[in-house]
Parts: sequence; C-alpha cells; structure tokens
Amino acid sequence: DADVTQTPRNRITKTGKRIMLECSQTKGHDRMYWYRQDPGLGLRLIYYSFDVKDINKGEISDGYSVSRQAQAKFSLSLESAIPNQTALYFCATSGVVETQYFGPGTRLLVL
Amino acid sequence: EDKVVQSPLSLVVHEGDTVTLNCSYEVTNFRSLLWYKQEKKAPTFLFMLTSSGIEKKSGRLSSILDKKELSSILNITATQTGDSAIYLCAVGTTSGTYKYIFGTGTRLKVLA
Repeated sequence: DADVTQTPRNRITKTGKRIMLECSQTKGHDRMYWYRQDPGLGLRLIYYSFDVKDINKGEISDGYSVSRQAQAKFSLSLESAIPNQTALYFCATSGVVETQYFGPGTRLLVL
Repeated sequence: EDKVVQSPLSLVVHEGDTVTLNCSYEVTNFRSLLWYKQEKKAPTFLFMLTSSGIEKKSGRLSSILDKKELSSILNITATQTGDSAIYLCAVGTTSGTYKYIFGTGTRLKVLA
C-alpha cells in the first residue's frame, strides 16, 4: 500500500464550487505539505503543517484553506474554485530527516 | 526573494551519453538541497545534500553541492531510456519559517 495517498485522483468541477482534496499518510511523519504544479512553474507551496496544531501559509495560499484533522490527515479546500486553480496538486510528508515523500497527485480541472 | 533556477530546461540525449544537470540557488538560511525524479506523477527522492554531506552517489547517478558557488549538479552516466523524466531540485530554507523552494525542473529525454 502507498505511504501517501490522495483522493480524488482526478476531479472536474465548475467555477464557484467548493472542493476538498484529501491526503492521508502511513509514514508516521509530523510534517505535511500541499503543493500545486503548473507547466513551466514547477512545484509551489500552498500550505504546510509541522504538527496537528501548526498550520502555515506557503507562497500561494490565497484562495485555499487547509485542515489538519490528525497527524495522518491533511486536507486542502478550495472554497470557491476558479479556473486558474486548474493544476496538479501534490501532498507530501517529511519526518525528522528532510526528505519529502509525495502522494500520487490530484489532477483538478475547474471549468 | 528566494529562488532556485535549473538548467537546461530540457535536454535530449542518446542512450549511453553522460548528462549534467544544474541547479543554482539564492536563498537566505540555506539548510539542504534535494534532487527528485518525476516520471509520470509524483516526484521520487534521489539525493539530499547538506553542509555536512556535499557529495552523494547511487549507481549511475551522483550529485555534488558547491556552497561557495551556491549550486549543485546532478550527473547521470551511461544514460538509459528509463532515465527519461523531469529532474527537480529543491532547496530547504529556514528564512521566515522552514520550507522548500523548487526549481522548475529539467526535462530529460533519452533516445534509444
């Protein structure tokens, strides 16, 4: 079984809809991250969390919110989706050693 | 502003060739530099380089960190078609709070 899982894997939604992307991990890591990847722009950090009570904004947090429900779960919400939020979204985790482990990604299309 | 720049943006070689990918960075409070390989979806970890570990090697892949030049190279010798991927460089920094900054990647295509 994968150590970091994301649901859904693909999603099509309409402008203005609320959508939640979920991430679960079995690696026992405290640190979790949400990134988006766009062609030519690389991976950009949206939010990160170093433990259940610690949530931090990344470089592109506007239009997004997160919830760390448990050590193993970190969800990303788009309260009112817009077309420029169409992207590939990755969840990642890391422990004391800084290597990040990535989930399989969620491909989101906002019409 | 912190930034990580990778070059070249893309590269096409033939099997057996040796390639060198570059990553340069400008960050405050450098902590670590990581290399990832992204084939279809999720990036997978290759190496982590720090001030105390500036050179890593695994099979045909090797990487060196040059803290004086603020850069790193990733070498792949005797390339194979399976090496075709996007190679990402990320720098860990503690400026503000701890985070990683990714470069845009180098797309490598190895032809048979």
